[in-house]
Amino acid sequence: KAGVTQTPRYLIKTRGQQVTLSCSPISGHRSVSWYQQTPGQGLQFLFEYFSETQRNKGNFPGRFSGRQFSNSRSEMNVSTLELGDSALYLCASSLDGTGNTQYFGPGTRLTVL
Amino acid sequence: GQNIDQPTEMTATEGAIVQINCTYQTSGFNGLFWYQQHAGEAPTFLSYNVLDGLEEKGRFSSFLSRSKGYSYLLLKELQMKDSASYLCAVYDGNNRKLIWGLGTSLAVNP
Repeated sequence: KAGVTQTPRYLIKTRGQQVTLSCSPISGHRSVSWYQQTPGQGLQFLFEYFSETQRNKGNFPGRFSGRQFSNSRSEMNVSTLELGDSALYLCASSLDGTGNTQYFGPGTRLTVL
Repeated sequence: GQNIDQPTEMTATEGAIVQINCTYQTSGFNGLFWYQQHAGEAPTFLSYNVLDGLEEKGRFSSFLSRSKGYSYLLLKELQMKDSASYLCAVYDGNNRKLIWGLGTSLAVNP
């Protein structure tokens, strides 16, 4: 079974721009969670999608948004980028998100200049 | 509140045994996970405990005590490739969220 894939792997943007990241979960997994990881901050939960619905949300501003498609693929969008948005963005998939093991993609490293 | 505590850093010697502790306080408990994360890479799943006791998986074992809100990850016969960050996470079933610790950075020296 193929693992979780994320595209692109690396991105360089400038302040004020917007960015869209993509995640394809493991086949059969319907829950996708997104995390931001920066040095010293650990994994910060952004949101979780299940069956095309946002089921849970972390404490991030509205500039961070996401969606999930009928094939469980998910995208997240960050608008009006700030320098502090530079981070590793990870997505993780699980069967249904109710405490099942989460499997992570390789991440997208975003650098905002 | 919800909180997970792990030591920030640990150092050990190749071939030795190391124990990484994790204590947690969550409103609901439905399982505890350990992940390994090498620098610049994504976390990879190591173990899952939902009942009290020890789960052994090769060189790695994980222990859980729900009454004490405590878990540890035991790594035996340490190898240089075990140098990584080890993340403890608890699934809070009340809020349907996975709560993450900040991770323990383990350095294995020759």
